[in-house]
Amino acid sequence: KQEVTQIPAALSVPEGENLVLNCSFTDSAIYNLQWFRQDPGKGLTSLLLIQSSQREQTSGRLNASLDKSSGRSTLYIAASQPGDSATYLCAVNGQDTGNQFYFGTGTSLTVIP
Amino acid sequence: NAGVTQTPKFRILKIGQSMTLQCTQDMNHNYMYWYRQDPGMGLKLIYYSVGAGITDKGEVPNGYNVSRSTTEDFPLRLELAAPSQTSVYFCASTILQGEETQYFGPGTRLLVL
Repeated sequence: KQEVTQIPAALSVPEGENLVLNCSFTDSAIYNLQWFRQDPGKGLTSLLLIQSSQREQTSGRLNASLDKSSGRSTLYIAASQPGDSATYLCAVNGQDTGNQFYFGTGTSLTVIP
Repeated sequence: NAGVTQTPKFRILKIGQSMTLQCTQDMNHNYMYWYRQDPGMGLKLIYYSVGAGITDKGEVPNGYNVSRSTTEDFPLRLELAAPSQTSVYFCASTILQGEETQYFGPGTRLLVL
């Protein structure tokens, strides 16, 4: 069974700092990996989707990388802002798990003004 | 487009009661999903559907049932509520599983006492 781990569980940084969130997964046979943002009491909003054949995706100040062979992904946030404060979750869709998506437990990010 | 809508937003149930969580999407997506999210945990897949009339179990289906009579609606039924079903339930949909992002509803918070 696929296991997805996110480290750290919580992170607090001053505004303007660049930061990296980590996601690791145990089974490298995946179709894709997605990063989501979740605000308190809200649903999930997709940030970036990386197909298994891709190495990275970028959207604005966000850059996600994927190293499938080592079972790792990182989400890089440049020039962090207080509005970036939220929980960030990664999810993988495995080749042998059909339509199942496996989620990590998330990293809670606080950007201090 | 309203996207993915869920009702109710919050509900308290007594042990043994039944209820249906409603989910509707207006994006003509074939794929729909039900997840539960326990405090401090990632999302776990309960059931999913690849189209009207087709449903399948996810990682944690026990105690739940679903139906998919139309493309738009994917209700989740709890027959005999138990305290272990206290959670936040999210419905999601996507147009092309594995290659496109999932769109999430705002969630239903359920408390079983």
